Amino acid sequence: AQSVTQLGSHVSVSEGALVLLRCNYSSSVPPYLFWYVQYPNQGLQLLLKYTSAATLVKGINGFEAEFKKSETSFHLTKPSAHMSDAAEYFCAVSEGNTDKLIFGTGTRLQVFP
Amino acid sequence: KAGVTQTPRYLIKTRGQQVTLSCSPISGHRSVSWYQQTPGQGLQFLFEYFSETQRNKGNFPGRFSGRQFSNSRSEMNVSTLELGDSALYLCASSPEPAVSQNYGYTFGSGTRLTVV
Repeated sequence: AQSVTQLGSHVSVSEGALVLLRCNYSSSVPPYLFWYVQYPNQGLQLLLKYTSAATLVKGINGFEAEFKKSETSFHLTKPSAHMSDAAEYFCAVSEGNTDKLIFGTGTRLQVFP
Repeated sequence: KAGVTQTPRYLIKTRGQQVTLSCSPISGHRSVSWYQQTPGQGLQFLFEYFSETQRNKGNFPGRFSGRQFSNSRSEMNVSTLELGDSALYLCASSPEPAVSQNYGYTFGSGTRLTVV
């Protein structure tokens, strides 16, 4: 069965610093992988998705993620953090070839001035 | 273009009651999924509907049910509410079944259900 592990429930960075949020997946078939962001009292917003077209995926708000099959990882990065990036981030994998998404437990990103 | 609309935004119910939550997808979207979000269990898949048919179901008891109408609007119902059903219920829509068509889901802001 597919699963997702997000390392670090909380990550703190200074404004302008590199953001790195870690995600490892377990999948028996080529996966579809997603990163979503959730701001307080809101739903989830899709940041980017990997659908096997390219290993480096660029998303919105300057975020990108690299699919590494050998490491079963799909880490999210942003070169320079902004205060507005403070939110909770979820990595997700699709179960098999279905539309059922398996979410990680989330990483709360804090950005300090 | 209006986003995914979920009503009501907040709801307080008593144990044993039932509740119906509504989701209106983005115009033209025909696929709708529901998720439950709690601090303890995180985000868990409930159901997925496409063209009024349930395509997938998560591991929830039979008290949780849903349906989709011909206009793609969807409802979910929870009967005999328990304290543990308190959660944020999120609805998401996509033009077609998202994964197989390489789309991504657009989520609504959710309905926060509190069971007392």
